[in-house]
Amino acid sequence: AQTVTQSQPEMSVQEAETVTLSCTYDTSESDYYLFWYKQPPSRQMILVIRQEAYKQQNATENRFSVNFQKAAKSFSLKISDSQLGDAAMYFCAYRSDFGNEKLTFGTGTRLTIIP
Amino acid sequence: SQTIHQWPATLVQPVGSPLSLECTVEGTSNPNLYWYRQAAGRGLQLLFYSVGIGQISSEVPQNLSASRPQDRQFILSSKKLLLSDSGFYLCAWSVGTGWYEQYFGPGTRLTVT
Repeated sequence: AQTVTQSQPEMSVQEAETVTLSCTYDTSESDYYLFWYKQPPSRQMILVIRQEAYKQQNATENRFSVNFQKAAKSFSLKISDSQLGDAAMYFCAYRSDFGNEKLTFGTGTRLTIIP
Repeated sequence: SQTIHQWPATLVQPVGSPLSLECTVEGTSNPNLYWYRQAAGRGLQLLFYSVGIGQISSEVPQNLSASRPQDRQFILSSKKLLLSDSGFYLCAWSVGTGWYEQYFGPGTRLTVT
């Protein structure tokens, strides 16, 4: 079974600075999908960014980008120009490509933005 | 556009009482539907998922059950709540092709007393 590990329970960053959240996963599969979700204080989960394992190019969505290292099974999230609204729990998630639509989530990283 | 609704938003129930949480999706057909539970300060635990009406897969054996009486309706139930059932319950949907990325509802905070 696949596992997703987020080793940083909490992170903080100064407003306007850059922060990187770590995520590693364990799988024997070669094709899969990776996601980062954000859970603000409202607790509604919001999809931030996604990555297909067969694509070497790192995904980017505005201020959010990932560093996908397939061989190392690492999928970190970089937030540039941090804003107060970025404060949230961030969850990394894995989905197999073999007809399995379930997501496996990490335990999350709580990000605090310091004004 | 698609929207997902959950109700109630908050619920306080005594131990041993029944439970019914409802989730509905608008703006899409034949979605995959999911129920998750999130304990305080923890990640998401998948409880049930459904790929169609009447098709329910259980991930965790427990005193909860799920049903899908209509294409876009997903219900989480219990006949007798336990203290350990307290948590934040999230419903999610995905389309049945491609990314399968999941979109989440606003959640229900359940406190069992």
